[in-house]
Amino acid sequence: DTAVSQTPKYLVTQMGNDKSIKCEQNLGHDTMYWYKQDSKKFLKIMFSYNNKELIINETVPNRFSPKSPDKAHLNLHINSLELGDSAVYFCASSDGLAYNEQFFGPGTRLTVL
Amino acid sequence: QKEVEQNSGPLSVPEGAIASLNCTYSDRGSQSFFWYRQYSGKSPELIMSIYSNGDKEDGRFTAQLNKASQYVSLLIRDSQPSDSATYLCAVNGNTDKLIFGTGTRLQVFP
Repeated sequence: DTAVSQTPKYLVTQMGNDKSIKCEQNLGHDTMYWYKQDSKKFLKIMFSYNNKELIINETVPNRFSPKSPDKAHLNLHINSLELGDSAVYFCASSDGLAYNEQFFGPGTRLTVL
Repeated sequence: QKEVEQNSGPLSVPEGAIASLNCTYSDRGSQSFFWYRQYSGKSPELIMSIYSNGDKEDGRFTAQLNKASQYVSLLIRDSQPSDSATYLCAVNGNTDKLIFGTGTRLQVFP
């Protein structure tokens, strides 16, 4: 009965490859997020979707493309992976927008070799 | 000036003491404030939210908010070694994003 789940937990890949991370929440929330936590542990928002509609798109390279097939799922596809993409990616969800509490998934540790 | 500032620590306190964690923010329009705990290799876990000036208590945790001075703090009473973690302050801004501080590492020693 995990509230926010992500797959895979670990992802090791070569530079130039394309990879996807999936996220699902069973909290009934209507807003989902992708965050990136770098090696210095700084957590920064990348994207936010509300009811499948993109509402926040930070200055993220367009190699990153989020997709929300429904309000319980938010996936992240990354093209042409670079060394600097190595980080932990967290999915989160909330009931409504950032005013409300956000709950995080377990994270996906991406390592680009 | 960073949007949300925290002392990176480590803050070392003995078991049983009160740990005091502080956070300042720059956006006067911020309306909601959160404290997350993050153990090494784990995801952020929400431990407190506060929306109005004053204190909010939940078990051993008390969040304090002072909007005039733009700071929010977290007190942990009767600190335990299991409280050793990084504590992240998060503040929502006018842009409807949650802005995180860089976190304060707390070490509770027996």
